[in-house]
Amino acid sequence: KQEVTQIPAALSVPEGENLVLNCSFTDSAIYNLQWFRQDPGKGLTSLLLIQSSQREQTSGRLNASLDKSSGRSTLYIAASQPGDSATYLCAVNNNNDMRFGAGTRLTVKP
Amino acid sequence: DAGVIQSPRHEVTEMGQEVTLRCKPISGHDYLFWYRQTMMRGLELLIYFNNNVPIDDSGMPEDRFSAKMPNASFSTLKIQPSEPRDSAVYFCASSLSLRGYTFGSGTRLTVV
Repeated sequence: KQEVTQIPAALSVPEGENLVLNCSFTDSAIYNLQWFRQDPGKGLTSLLLIQSSQREQTSGRLNASLDKSSGRSTLYIAASQPGDSATYLCAVNNNNDMRFGAGTRLTVKP
Repeated sequence: DAGVIQSPRHEVTEMGQEVTLRCKPISGHDYLFWYRQTMMRGLELLIYFNNNVPIDDSGMPEDRFSAKMPNASFSTLKIQPSEPRDSAVYFCASSLSLRGYTFGSGTRLTVV
């Protein structure tokens, strides 16, 4: 059974810093991996989707990488802003079974 | 497209009552998922459908929970009878051939 771990559980940084969120998974036979953002009391917003054949995906200030062999993915956020404050969830898809990490709660202080 | 649409947004009910949650997936998507989110357990997959057929319901906690997908544009998750421990946010998500998931805004259920 796939297990997904996200470290750290919470992170607080000053505005403007670059930061990295980590996601690790136990079963490397994945179909794809997706990063989501969740604001308090809201649903999940998809940020980036990486297929198993890809190494990274970029969208604006966000860059997600995937290393299947080591069971790791990172989400890099450049020049963080207070509006980036949210919980970031990593989800790993093993052939119809998508498992979520517990998330990293990010706070960007003005 | 309006995205995945869930209703109601909030539901407060008394213990023992029947609760029905509704979901309209994105048109053309062939997969539909129901998740439950709590502080203690995070996001848990309850059941998913492929082309309207239930494929895996191993995440459904008890027989009190049931889900249907009568057609490609509608699904329901029913709890009967409801209990306070069912209080959570229930999310519906849809996907086209598993190329990423799109989530609805969720239904916040409170059972008192």
